[in-house]
Amino acid sequence: EAQVTQNPRYLITVTGKKLTVTCSQNMNHEYMSWYRQDPGLGLRQIYYSMNVEVTDKGDVPEGYKVSRKEKRNFPLILESPSPNQTSLYFCASSLTSGGRAQVAQYFGPGTRLTVL
Amino acid sequence: AQSVTQLDSQVPVFEEAPVELRCNYSSSVSVYLFWYVQYPNQGLQLLLKYLSGSTLVKGINGFEAEFNKSQTSFHLRKPSVHISDTAEYFCAVKPFSGGYNKLIFGAGTRLAVHP
Repeated sequence: EAQVTQNPRYLITVTGKKLTVTCSQNMNHEYMSWYRQDPGLGLRQIYYSMNVEVTDKGDVPEGYKVSRKEKRNFPLILESPSPNQTSLYFCASSLTSGGRAQVAQYFGPGTRLTVL
Repeated sequence: AQSVTQLDSQVPVFEEAPVELRCNYSSSVSVYLFWYVQYPNQGLQLLLKYLSGSTLVKGINGFEAEFNKSQTSFHLRKPSVHISDTAEYFCAVKPFSGGYNKLIFGAGTRLAVHP
């Protein structure tokens, strides 16, 4: 089954304790990205990756890191989480970064993060 | 720059009634348009998309949307809703140019279908 998976689905942590949220897709997609969802703000892009070893900042990258060492995986790293990073996080992927036929993005189930 | 405005944060409706969820966008370049649905405790699922051609687009679960270029709108409609349509709906755009697949989302509309 074609899917985007995220782990963990729920996480409660404390300020300053490094954490990683994993994202994996089995569709051989080139493009992957991370969004955060906050009430009244919709989804905002944190980072994206156009292919292996190619990453760049989205609209709200502060406090986050990413890496893309393999095509299927795109982990999100919070080196020193703070309470303002409490949010619902989504990973997404699409076949390519552009082109009319490939623009639809597929989303993971989400990771609800609480930073105390 | 692009922006998306969903005009209603919440829409209550009775089962079997019609519904329209409104979406307006602002962009200096041409865009692709999308509607996503998020059921409780789930990720986002693509409902429908407008890439080109006919301005009336049909999606899954009986939803359709109409692209109106002059009014820069992409309203979502369903003639008869079910309880199972209760969810949050997001309108999104992607500019033709820009080189990467960035989606700009609206704030979402929560549809609540009552019996």
